[in-house]
Amino acid sequence: NAGVTQTPKFRILKIGQSMTLQCTQDMNHNYMYWYRQDPGMGLKLIYYSVGAGITDKGEVPNGYNVSRSTTEDFPLRLELAAPSQTSVYFCASSLGQGAGNTIYFGEGSWLTVV
Amino acid sequence: KNEVEQSPQNLTAQEGEFITINCSYSVGISALHWLQQHPGGGIVSLFMLSSGKKKHGRLIATINIQEKHSSLHITASHPRDSAVYICAVKADKLIFGTGTRLQVFP
Repeated sequence: NAGVTQTPKFRILKIGQSMTLQCTQDMNHNYMYWYRQDPGMGLKLIYYSVGAGITDKGEVPNGYNVSRSTTEDFPLRLELAAPSQTSVYFCASSLGQGAGNTIYFGEGSWLTVV
Repeated sequence: KNEVEQSPQNLTAQEGEFITINCSYSVGISALHWLQQHPGGGIVSLFMLSSGKKKHGRLIATINIQEKHSSLHITASHPRDSAVYICAVKADKLIFGTGTRLQVFP
């Protein structure tokens, strides 16, 4: 059982380049999330999705885009990478959003923009 | 002031010691999560609780809703417990603390 799988694990981008972080889950979860983790800060929500075809902005969406064409996949696209997007990115999923729902995280993607 | 505060930020212990990590929050919540982040970066959910106390092996989590406070205890700590422990509260969204870095030495 793979859970939440995100790729790549590490990536170095030049300023202005674009890339896509891939995320897939095999638990048939409705809810999927993208977070970023910066040093000394709590995880911040970038975008989330409540089901295929539905996405919404989180706290820090600027510079990112997402899509949810299937239940399994929730890619995060960085357009015109900037040094401020250097961070660790986590994809996560949960069956629902209520209090009783465990959230499952991917292994993280370390992104450096130079 | 952050909505979720953890203490201490850093903690070192000798193997076998009893560990307590604290989490205080200032918003109304429906649940509180304790997460573990290993040096490799992956995050694992340890507990989700909305009242009382939960125990799993050497780990115990408690929450006091009235005082807006939760604690994570580790009994008989071991070097493999070395990790960052993150408290997150479920309000209208998940709000994460900045984590407590625990190092347990043999």
